[in-house]
Amino acid sequence: EADIYQTPRYLVIGTGKKITLECSQTMGHDKMYWYQQDPGMELHLIHYSYGVNSTEKGDLSSESTVSRIRTEHFPLTLESARPSHTSQYLCASSTAGGEVNPEAFFGQGTRLTVV
Amino acid sequence: AQSVAQPEDQVNVAEGNPLTVKCTYSVSGNPYLFWYVQYPNRGLQFLLKYITGDNLVKGSYGFEAEFNKSQTSFHLKKPSALVSDSALYFCAVRPAYNFNKFYFGSGTKLNVKP
Repeated sequence: EADIYQTPRYLVIGTGKKITLECSQTMGHDKMYWYQQDPGMELHLIHYSYGVNSTEKGDLSSESTVSRIRTEHFPLTLESARPSHTSQYLCASSTAGGEVNPEAFFGQGTRLTVV
Repeated sequence: AQSVAQPEDQVNVAEGNPLTVKCTYSVSGNPYLFWYVQYPNRGLQFLLKYITGDNLVKGSYGFEAEFNKSQTSFHLKKPSALVSDSALYFCAVRPAYNFNKFYFGSGTKLNVKP
């Protein structure tokens, strides 16, 4: 079944640790996105990708980095986690555009807590 | 600047009553419009979309939305609310001239009381 997966769902980690949040989709979508969301609040785009080897920073400045080596995989990395990075991170994907299924599909999210 | 507004942080309705969650947008051209629902500690689930055609679109779980081009609005509606509809709802816009981004509203918390 076509879907988008995020792992881990929950992560508690100490300050200064390096972490990678995984995101994979099986829909063959060109575009992928990372959003940061504080509890019950609006989404902030932090990274997006048009396709393999293409990444762009989003509207909200983030200390995280992303890579897109394969179409289906869009991991997000924090080199040195800090308490201010505590948040929910949502990954999404979409087609390139047009009228066929233009909506974004979201993963279940990763709730990160840095202590 | 492109923007999506959800003027109500919270909407409270009694179970069985109709509900409306409002959304207006400021995006050039003829954008694609979407509604999503988010339950606690989950990702966003797609509910419905407007691309073209009939101004009233139907989606999942009995929800529908009415597109009004002159008012640049896309309000979410349901004739009879359920307690299980209580969640966070997001309106989103994807400009037809720039498919690279989605613009999301700030979200509206819907509380349906028994």
